Amino acid sequence: QVQLQESGPGLVKPSQTLSLTCSVSGGSISRGSYYWSWIRQPAGKGLEWIGRVLVGGGINYNPSLKSRVSISVDTSKNQFFLRLSSVTAADTAVYYCARESGYWFPFDYWGQGTLVTVSS
Amino acid sequence: EIVMTQSPATLSVSPGDGATLSCRASQSVSYNLAWYQQKPGQAPRLLIYGASTRATGIPVRFSGSGSGTEFTLTISGLQSEDFAVYFCQQYDNWPSLTFGGGTKVEIK
Repeated sequence: QVQLQESGPGLVKPSQTLSLTCSVSGGSISRGSYYWSWIRQPAGKGLEWIGRVLVGGGINYNPSLKSRVSISVDTSKNQFFLRLSSVTAADTAVYYCARESGYWFPFDYWGQGTLVTVSS
Repeated sequence: EIVMTQSPATLSVSPGDGATLSCRASQSVSYNLAWYQQKPGQAPRLLIYGASTRATGIPVRFSGSGSGTEFTLTISGLQSEDFAVYFCQQYDNWPSLTFGGGTKVEIK
């Protein structure tokens, strides 16, 4: 059973960089054609896809966030990462990591989510 | 970007009754549509993919239909654990994907 777990600071100051880690267990992050994504959800609102990585296959970003987002992966640790720069209060949200089973597949596994608040 | 519009925003239903949730895409997404259930403080859970295929372990009272731009999630005989927020998501427009705004199913 695949499990994902987000971790990182719960409070980030405005204009700084948000950094989160997603640790994957129960399977190798580099095996198969799995895509590993970040998704966020402001309180009481809908879901926004941030971007995804396919180990050895490329990275895609939401065009609305592309200028501020970076996603990377460490296969030795079975982890992938999110960096979001120049944050504002509008970036306050619960951040989820999730897995797509392949091209044209939905998200079948999700982490529990981590709340990140942007405030001075 | 494909915009996904869900209606209604809130649906009040009595336990045991049925519920019909709608999701509309701004352009065709073929059958590449998923439905998720989200309870307070929890991550979304995949219910339906391919517009009508139930995910592993999902009860038969959940059914999905539609194609192109119009989709429906039907819940028959609502149980207490079904009161939650439901989101649709298109994954046709790779590499981008988008979610609907959600429908809250509440106890009447």
